[in-house]
Amino acid sequence: KNEVEQSPQNLTAQEGEFITINCSYSVGISALHWLQQHPGGGIVSLFMLSSGKKKHGRLIATINIQEKHSSLHITASHPRDSAVYICAGFNSGGSNYKLTFGKGTLLTVNP
Amino acid sequence: NAGVMQNPRHLVRRRGQEARLRCSPMKGHSHVYWYRQLPEEGLKFMVYLQKENIIDESGMPKERFSAEFPKEGPSILRIQQVVRGDSAAYFCASSRTVSPSTNEKLFFGSGTQLSVL
Repeated sequence: KNEVEQSPQNLTAQEGEFITINCSYSVGISALHWLQQHPGGGIVSLFMLSSGKKKHGRLIATINIQEKHSSLHITASHPRDSAVYICAGFNSGGSNYKLTFGKGTLLTVNP
Repeated sequence: NAGVMQNPRHLVRRRGQEARLRCSPMKGHSHVYWYRQLPEEGLKFMVYLQKENIIDESGMPKERFSAEFPKEGPSILRIQQVVRGDSAAYFCASSRTVSPSTNEKLFFGSGTQLSVL
C-alpha cells in the first residue's frame, strides 16, 4: 500500500523565518507533487519532482530518492504563505493519476 | 484562459436528496479527475474520466455515486440519496495529457463543499 506521511501537522512561524515541511513516502511512489491549499479551499500546484531540486521564487523543493524523503522550504516567510501544504505521491506504473495524498501541514505565518 | 471551474462552491442537501457537482476543465484539457477530502483526512482519488469515457472509477463508492464527462459540457459527479457521511470537499482536476507526470502539471478547481443536513 502506498503511503505518504507529512510532518509537522501544524507549524507556526514569525514573518521572515525559514520554513521546512517534510514528506516521507513508501516504496511504489515514483515522484512527488507539492500542493498549496488556500484558506478558501482552492488548490494550487507548486512543484512536481522525481529527483533533485526545484526552485520557484522563495519556494524550494528537494527530493532524496534513496531515503524516500522530500522537503518543501520557504525562505523569508510572509503571512500570505499561510496555507495548508500537501505532499502527494505519484504511484509507479500506469495509474499515477490516482495520487496518494498526505494529510497536509497547516502553516501559519504571523506578522 | 480560465482555470478549472467548479460549481457550486457550496452545496447544502438534506439526507436522501441528490447532489450534482460540476467541473469544467481548463481549455484544451480532456482528462478530468475527481478527489474527495473528508474532514480531518487527506484527499483521496475517486474517478478518472476522459470525454465520454470512465477510465478508472476504483476510488468511487460502489453505490449512489456516479460520474460522467459528456462530449459537450462539464463533467458531473452525482451523488444520489446523500447521507451525512458524504459531507466533504470535492475537488476536480484536469490535465492536458493522460496521467499527469513530472512533465505535465495537474490543475485543480476550487472545490465544492457539500454539507448534508
